[in-house]
Amino acid sequence: DAGITQSPRHKVTETGTPVTLRCHQTENHRYMYWYRQDPGHGLRLIHYSYGVKDTDKGEVSDGYSVSRSKTEDFLLTLESATSSQTSVYFCAIRGEGNQPQHFGDGTRLSIL
Amino acid sequence: GESVGLHLPTLSVQEGDNSIINCAYSNSASDYFIWYKQESGKGPQFIIDIRSNMDKRQGQRVTVLLNKTVKHLSLQIAATQPGDSAVYFCAENIKDTGSARQLTFGSGTQLTVLP
Repeated sequence: DAGITQSPRHKVTETGTPVTLRCHQTENHRYMYWYRQDPGHGLRLIHYSYGVKDTDKGEVSDGYSVSRSKTEDFLLTLESATSSQTSVYFCAIRGEGNQPQHFGDGTRLSIL
Repeated sequence: GESVGLHLPTLSVQEGDNSIINCAYSNSASDYFIWYKQESGKGPQFIIDIRSNMDKRQGQRVTVLLNKTVKHLSLQIAATQPGDSAVYFCAENIKDTGSARQLTFGSGTQLTVLP
């Protein structure tokens, strides 16, 4: 495995509550990514980071924020969760140069 | 917008046969392509990648072919095994997305290996 831990692995919460998902890596890679995966849509990029405190928006960033205060951790926050954010969330990491992205095993988030 | 797509959502093959999974892309600016395998309950697992300056790349039991003329990518799996049953995704990187190499994913093909 690529040394990526996502937590929690499963979460059920209510609409309007804040939710934070954590991605932790042990590879010291510069690049980290958050995706969501929904039936019929494949994987869609939410936000990504290209270094500590350096982040940018992806394709579906509305309703999400991220933070990266140290190399090993990339946090995804839903400030006020909505039912449309029910999904499986994947974190990925990538090293420098021509390296592929490697994925964690995901967090299944249900918002009722 | 432009996106990666797949010709077939499902594919069933006999154990021991070769599998071919196809992918069409429409962005001529893409310079990097990658195949992932995803098993139920797990994250996508890297299989093989190819850059646009290549036509073919081989790995262990897998070959990726890139035809830039018709914007087509394929993944060939030799001697398909039950453990190959999974969803396979192709993804592309558009050259102007910078060093972060943002990927655009297709919706996936479910490969089922029959005994």
